[in-house]
Amino acid sequence: DVKVTQSSRYLVKRTGEKVFLECVQDMDHENMFWYRQDPGLGLRLIYFSYDVKMKEKGDIPEGYSVSREKKERFSLILESASTNQTSMYLCASSLRRGVETQYFGPGTRLLVL
Amino acid sequence: RKEVEQDPGPFNVPEGATVAFNCTYSNSASQSFFWYRQDCRKEPKLLMSVYSSGNEDGRFTAQLNRASQYISLLIRDSKLSDSATYLCVVILTGGFKTIFGAGTRLFVKA
Repeated sequence: DVKVTQSSRYLVKRTGEKVFLECVQDMDHENMFWYRQDPGLGLRLIYFSYDVKMKEKGDIPEGYSVSREKKERFSLILESASTNQTSMYLCASSLRRGVETQYFGPGTRLLVL
Repeated sequence: RKEVEQDPGPFNVPEGATVAFNCTYSNSASQSFFWYRQDCRKEPKLLMSVYSSGNEDGRFTAQLNRASQYISLLIRDSKLSDSATYLCVVILTGGFKTIFGAGTRLFVKA
């Protein structure tokens, strides 16, 4: 069974703080993704990575950066949190390019005050 | 216009009913299609893939119409446990660009 874990289920941060969200998958998947989910907007892709140290911008990368130093771990960084980054953040992984089924972590609900 | 559009619902149906959802997509470079299910405050999980020839998994049937650029999900004999949000997912040619619909909420009532 694929397992994707996220470092926190709930986070409360203040405006301007640097925020780290971590995601770990245990199935040797090549691809990892970070999404945010907001009511009425669905899931929107922030960044994805198809290999260690590789990253690609998704649809809404502004205000975010990512890091993938190890294959199993993909971190999302909010350099200076803002209130409009209050959202549900979901990490996902997929086996390799061409195998598109994505497996999601449980999500992190981030509240920026 | 959103690249993937779904009726947000909610659809309120009694147990045992048949319910159908449609999803339209605008990008003709779409190559793969899926339905995911998301329970309240949980992560999305793959429900089924959608093939051109249509496919069935128990009470669930998925159809793809490439000419009209829509996919559908039919649920027969609805159960209380089917209550969830159903997400339409489209993957573009190349395999990386994944677009999620905003979801259709279903409530099945006793």
